Amino acid sequence: AQSVTQLDSQVPVFEEAPVELRCNYSSSVSVYLFWYVQYPNQGLQLLLKYLSGSTLVESINGFEAEFNKSQTSFHLRKPSVHISDTAEYFCAVSDTGGFKTIFGAGTRLFVKA
Amino acid sequence: IAGITQAPTSQILAAGRRMTLRCTQDMRHNAMYWYRQDLGLGLRLIHYSNTAGTTGKGEVPDGYSVSRANTDDFPLTLASAVPSQTSVYFCASSEGLAGADEQFFGPGTRLTVL
Repeated sequence: AQSVTQLDSQVPVFEEAPVELRCNYSSSVSVYLFWYVQYPNQGLQLLLKYLSGSTLVESINGFEAEFNKSQTSFHLRKPSVHISDTAEYFCAVSDTGGFKTIFGAGTRLFVKA
Repeated sequence: IAGITQAPTSQILAAGRRMTLRCTQDMRHNAMYWYRQDLGLGLRLIHYSNTAGTTGKGEVPDGYSVSRANTDDFPLTLASAVPSQTSVYFCASSEGLAGADEQFFGPGTRLTVL
């Protein structure tokens, strides 16, 4: 069975500082990996995804994540955060032969001025 | 604007009452999902549908039922609500029922069962 572990439930950080949100997964088969973001009082929306090819994937708002197969990780990073990045971030995994997506428990990113 | 709508936005319900949460999408997506979101647990899949007329059980289906009479609508029914069903419920859709497909989420329904 697949599982997703987000190692930090909350990450406070000052504006313009770098941030890393950690995600590890377990699976016995090949996987697709996703990061979704949930702004306050909204549904989740896709931030970025890894399907195949380059292990480094980027979003339009400066986030990036790297698929590391040997460490079964898909950590999310941003070199300089903004107040508007305050949100909850969910890592998710699905196997390449199935359809069910397993979500992590979420990491609440709080950016302080 | 295309997307997913959910109703109601929030609801307080007495235990034992029946409740239907509504979900409608206008993207003509084949697959639809219902999740519940609980603090510290993330999102857990309740039921899903890969096309109109078919449904399947997710991770936590007990106490819930769904129907998919057409492509656009996917209501979730609690036949007899219990306090443990207090949660935020999200409906989602995707173009297909494939692990690679992005899921699009509605704004959620906050349900409190007393």
